[in-house]
Amino acid sequence: KQEVTQIPAALSVPEGENLVLNCSFTDSAIYNLQWFRQDPGKGLTSLLLIQSSQREQTSGRLNASLDKSSGRSTLYIAASQPGDSATYLCAAGGNQGGKLIFGQGTELSVKP
Amino acid sequence: DAGVIQSPRHEVTEMGQEVTLRCKPISGHNSLFWYRQTMMRGLELLIYFNNNVPIDDSGMPEDRFSAKMPNASFSTLKIQPSEPRDSAVYFCATSTSGRAGDEQFFGPGTRLTVL
Repeated sequence: KQEVTQIPAALSVPEGENLVLNCSFTDSAIYNLQWFRQDPGKGLTSLLLIQSSQREQTSGRLNASLDKSSGRSTLYIAASQPGDSATYLCAAGGNQGGKLIFGQGTELSVKP
Repeated sequence: DAGVIQSPRHEVTEMGQEVTLRCKPISGHNSLFWYRQTMMRGLELLIYFNNNVPIDDSGMPEDRFSAKMPNASFSTLKIQPSEPRDSAVYFCATSTSGRAGDEQFFGPGTRLTVL
């Protein structure tokens, strides 16, 4: 059974810092790894999707990497801004019709 | 595109009442997923449909929960009777085909409070 873990549960950094959020999964037989952002009281916004055949994806200041063999993915945020404050969730997609297994999320706070 | 549409956005009801949550998928998306989010358990998949057919309902917690997708543009999640422990945010998400590897797009959620 796939389990997804995100560490740390919460992170506070000063504005301008580069930071890394971690995601680990127990079953390496995944089809994709998707990173989401969730603002308080809001829905999930898809940030990056990495297919199992890919090693990384980039969008603006965000870069996500995937290492299936070690069961890890990281989300790198460059030059963090207060507007980046949110909860970041990773989800592993298996071979069961797109079913996603979510981690518990990392709550990020970027202080001005 | 309007994205995934969910209604109502907030629902407050009393224990024992029937609750119906609604979802309109993105046009052209053939797969639809219902998730529940709580502080204790995080995001959990309840059920998903592909081409209007339920594929996996193993996440549905009890027989009090039921979901339908009568056509490609509409789905409902019903709880009858509702209980306080059903209080959560319920999300609907859709993808183009439901194949492994497809990106999922989420609606804004319905915040359910059962008193």
